[in-house]
Amino acid sequence: SQQGEEDPQALSIQEGENATMNCSYKTSINNLQWYRQNSGRGLVHLILIRSNEREKHSGRLRVTLDTSKKSSSLLITASRAADTASYFCATDDRGQGGSEKLVFGKGTKLTVNP
Amino acid sequence: EPEVTQTPSHQVTQMGQEVILRCVPISNHLYFYWYRQILGQKVEFLVSFYNNEISEKSEIFDDQFSVERPDGSNFTLKIRSTKLEDSAMYFCASSVVRVVETQYFGPGTRLLVL
Repeated sequence: SQQGEEDPQALSIQEGENATMNCSYKTSINNLQWYRQNSGRGLVHLILIRSNEREKHSGRLRVTLDTSKKSSSLLITASRAADTASYFCATDDRGQGGSEKLVFGKGTKLTVNP
Repeated sequence: EPEVTQTPSHQVTQMGQEVILRCVPISNHLYFYWYRQILGQKVEFLVSFYNNEISEKSEIFDDQFSVERPDGSNFTLKIRSTKLEDSAMYFCASSVVRVVETQYFGPGTRLLVL
């Protein structure tokens, strides 16, 4: 099964606008994490939301999780040019009973224009 | 803030050659992982390692791959006989506990097999 499919694939906005990215997944999860990747660089952990949480905030980031719809969204408020990056959601796979791997989506490429 | 480090940042090798990618996980972490990202594709799980043994591996992690924790700080990924399709960004990650908590990623090693 495919986990962590983000949409849109690409998003271009102006500085100061909000950016919303969505992620859908297929199996039961313990948690869902969002990562950022600047072009050709490493993965930076942004936020983790557990399956019993519905919303979480961290600075300009707001993450929601709807386990009934198996979906999550990442909202970046008041975006800056420095937010330009690819954003990935990643899930564990509780359905695989103790699997340790993170399963990543293809990511949303966000461009924030100054 | 502690971080995962990886060396080298870039590696170019000839097909059939052996390569060793090195990682220094965060010092108090107990679980270690390797992932790879082929250009333009998803980040894929390769292997997890705990208590000096592999705890989980993916289909990608065949007999050409091996991992080792040769001392108290380093964690290595060896590819015995590289193939063109091994060209990718390889990420090391570590976590305090299992995947239900955050995995912290290194900056990656970009491997190019010619």
